[in-house]
Amino acid sequence: GAVVSQHPSRVICKSGTSVKIECRSLDFQATTMFWYRQFPKQSLMLMATSNEGSKATYEQGVEKDKFLINHASLTLSTLTVTSAHPEDSSFYICSASSGSTDTQYFGPGTRLTVL
Amino acid sequence: GNSVTQMEGPVTLSEEAFLTINCTYTATGYPSPFWYVQYPGEGLQLLLKATKADDKGSNKGFEATYRKETTSFHLEKGSVQVSDSAVYFCALSDNSGNEKLTFGTGTRLTIIP
Repeated sequence: GAVVSQHPSRVICKSGTSVKIECRSLDFQATTMFWYRQFPKQSLMLMATSNEGSKATYEQGVEKDKFLINHASLTLSTLTVTSAHPEDSSFYICSASSGSTDTQYFGPGTRLTVL
Repeated sequence: GNSVTQMEGPVTLSEEAFLTINCTYTATGYPSPFWYVQYPGEGLQLLLKATKADDKGSNKGFEATYRKETTSFHLEKGSVQVSDSAVYFCALSDNSGNEKLTFGTGTRLTIIP
């Protein structure tokens, strides 16, 4: 149980375009979802926390207008990277929590490459 | 804020060797430590955790004891297998109710037969 999927697993886009990444909890209701960014050989950096039906809470230094997060249902959250640039190339990982425990369940990640 | 420092990798061991991956932290309040594992091509999975001082988390032969006096949560396994090859992340929850985790940089472990 507690499976989280992400789509797509890899995406390549041109500079200036927008990319949407989906995160789904497949067998549980996720009251909270988290979005992380991971640079090569570095730790996961929390970008934002989203609760179903409310606005996301962004970490300091993360541009909310660039990284749009929507958590419209208890099983789906989306991250849209708007007007992507090469410096946005990274590995984006989501996680989900049901709220009943302190355990987060992670998706497999999405590799974004901006040309 | 909280910070987590873990042993830099990569670590390469022979099968059946003893494993230790060090993890220390700085935090305010009463944090809870976790170890997550990421197998090739998969997402992070919770390996084990502890909730209070001197708790020992264990799973799949791995163990870690939450030592508040040394602010550490070192991961150990007595006899590693090839299937243990993965990246291991130490993480800390600040228990403030927001469920945020602070991660270490990850340690890549490779076990050779």
